[in-house]
Amino acid sequence: SQQGEEDPQALSIQEGENATMNCSYKTSINNLQWYRQNSGRGLVHLILIRSNEREKHSGRLRVTLDTSKKSSSLLITASRAADTASYFCATPLGGSQGNLIFGKGTKLSVKP
Amino acid sequence: GAGVSQSPSNKVTEKGKDVELRCDPISGHTALYWYRQSLGQGLEFLIYFQGNSAPDKSGLPSDRFSAERTGGSVSTLTIQRTQQEDSAVYLCASSLRRGWETQYFGPGTRLLVL
Repeated sequence: SQQGEEDPQALSIQEGENATMNCSYKTSINNLQWYRQNSGRGLVHLILIRSNEREKHSGRLRVTLDTSKKSSSLLITASRAADTASYFCATPLGGSQGNLIFGKGTKLSVKP
Repeated sequence: GAGVSQSPSNKVTEKGKDVELRCDPISGHTALYWYRQSLGQGLEFLIYFQGNSAPDKSGLPSDRFSAERTGGSVSTLTIQRTQQEDSAVYLCASSLRRGWETQYFGPGTRLLVL
C-alpha cells in the first residue's frame, strides 16, 4: 500500500490563485519531501521537511508538516501557468532508513 | 558535473525481445534507484543500490527484471522477454549517501512494447 497519498488527485485554478495540495502517510518518518514532474518525465526535488520541523518556505512554496496527524501540505502562492505539473510527496519507507516511497501525485493545472 | 542521464530516451520493442536501459548517476552519489511509472500513475519502486551493499530488489515485479551497477557508478536495468504490460517510463535517480535523502532524477526512458 502507498506510504504517501496526495489529495486532491487533480486541481485546476486560475493564474494568481494559491494552490494547496495535501499528503497523508502511514508510518513515523524522518523526513517528507515534495517533488514536481512535468510531462511524465524526471522528477525535480522541491523541498524537504524534517520530522522536527513544522513549516518550511522556499520562494513561493510553503510546506507544513503535522506528525501527529501524519500529514503534510504544499502551498504554492500566486500560481503561474508554468506551475502546471504533477506534484508528489515522498516519505522514507520504514521511517528513516528505507528508500523513498512516492504517492500517486496531484495533477495541478494553472490556467492563464 | 551534469545531472543524472539515461539512455535511450525512447525505446520501442517487440513483445518477447530483451531490452537494456542505462543510467549514469551524478558523480560521487552512492545511492541509485530505478522506478517505473505507468501512464498517469505514481512511481513504482523497482530496485535500490547503496554503495557496495547487496541491492534491495524487493520492488522488481518478476524475474524477467534484473539490474546491475558496475564500479559503483553506471547502472543497467534489463528486461527479458518483454511484455506489453512492461510499457512505461523507467526513471533512474541517485542520491549522495542514503535512500531517504533528496533524490535527483534522470529524464527517464519511455519504453513501448508492441
